[in-house]
Amino acid sequence: EVQLVESGGGLVQPGGSLRLSCAASGFTFSSYSMNWVRQAPGKGLEWVSYISSSSSSIDYADSVKGRFTISRDNAKNSLYLQMNSLRAEDTAVYYCAKRGSGWYIDYWGQGTLVTVSS
Amino acid sequence: EIVLTQSPGTLSLSPGERATLSCRASQSVSSSYLAWYQQKPGQAPRLLIYGASSRATGIPDRFSGSGSGTDFTLTISRLEPEDFAVYYCQQFGSSPFTFGPGTKVDIK
Repeated sequence: EVQLVESGGGLVQPGGSLRLSCAASGFTFSSYSMNWVRQAPGKGLEWVSYISSSSSSIDYADSVKGRFTISRDNAKNSLYLQMNSLRAEDTAVYYCAKRGSGWYIDYWGQGTLVTVSS
Repeated sequence: EIVLTQSPGTLSLSPGERATLSCRASQSVSSSYLAWYQQKPGQAPRLLIYGASSRATGIPDRFSGSGSGTDFTLTISRLEPEDFAVYYCQQFGSSPFTFGPGTKVDIK
């Protein structure tokens, strides 16, 4: 059974940093691209970042480019999102999301809440 | 950036009725790169349709997807009580991999 478990969310002040982690199990993590997707309270889904299976291809939404860094450790079956210079508008539930064999997301974690507030 | 527009914003229907949801792209999207998701309150999204028309594993056949180019449709043939939720389309054709704003299907 595929499981994606996010951690690392919490309350942080504007301008602060936070590192999200996603522990993956139930599939060959090193074979699949991964994404981070976020959802502000009461709002829709926003794609944040993508990383290919070997980390050779990485991409970001313009809203986080230069502030967020996606990475993965295939030996540890883990995905990360380093978030710096956080703003109030980054407040959201952050989902770790596995890409399927094609271009779609087939599994999602339950999300971790990041709140940016003074 | 490819902007996805979903309509209607809210669809009020009764169980047993047919639901037709639209997703329109600002630029052409290959069918291979268009997916639909369902999200219920307090839950993560769930994949329904990928490649515009292929049902994901375990998805009932009352869900179907169609369309090409800039116009895509998700149809729920007969609404079951568990189908009342928010539905999002997403394109993976070009970065950023945008989502539509969602269509809420609620009980009339």
